[in-house]
Amino acid sequence: DAGVIQSPRHEVTEMGQEVTLRCKPISGHDYLFWYRQTMMRGLELLIYFNNNVPIDDSGMPEDRFSAKMPNASFSTLKIQPSEPRDSAVYFCASSPPATLLNEQFFGPGTRLTVL
Amino acid sequence: QKEVEQNSGPLSVPEGAIASLNCTYSDRGSQSFFWYRQYSGKSPELIMFIYSNGDKEDGRFTAQLNKASQYVSLLIRDSQPSDSATYLCAVNESNSNSGYALNFGKGTSLLVTP
Repeated sequence: DAGVIQSPRHEVTEMGQEVTLRCKPISGHDYLFWYRQTMMRGLELLIYFNNNVPIDDSGMPEDRFSAKMPNASFSTLKIQPSEPRDSAVYFCASSPPATLLNEQFFGPGTRLTVL
Repeated sequence: QKEVEQNSGPLSVPEGAIASLNCTYSDRGSQSFFWYRQYSGKSPELIMFIYSNGDKEDGRFTAQLNKASQYVSLLIRDSQPSDSATYLCAVNESNSNSGYALNFGKGTSLLVTP
């Protein structure tokens, strides 16, 4: 099993540019989560989906951030326009259908640097 | 905002000793508690979960939960240098639509010295 796949692994961009991060969850998992991790704020949940439907986006910092899940095997997180304070590691995680153990499996992350 | 608090460390223990990692949380409705290990530059991986008060053992790891005190801990026996990592405590968000959202602490850095 390939695990959660994220691309790109590293992204360096200039302030004001649009950034798109991509995620492919584990096949059969119906929950997908987007997190952001920084030293200052730790690991923060941005948004999560169940069966491709956004369930809770209260963690999305502002309107510059948007996320979509057009099908069960693909999700994107877009930042437009990007700002230096968006620099962080962005993780995607997926979880299997509802069980007592809602273990989340994390992808390798995308390290974003906004200059 | 529900809080999950951890001492950032670093916690330094000698090889073979017991490492004790602690976590407190503010959401009284939380029912699921998790410990994730994160090596530097890598993604978090689940190592323990606990739902009921008391202790749960898995190999060298023991998770302890006290819901009345809103306290969860992780003990690592016979610590090895390979245990050196950041340990993240995670607690389910009780008022999320499905209870699947997790609140993470900022993590405790553990260093096991040979």
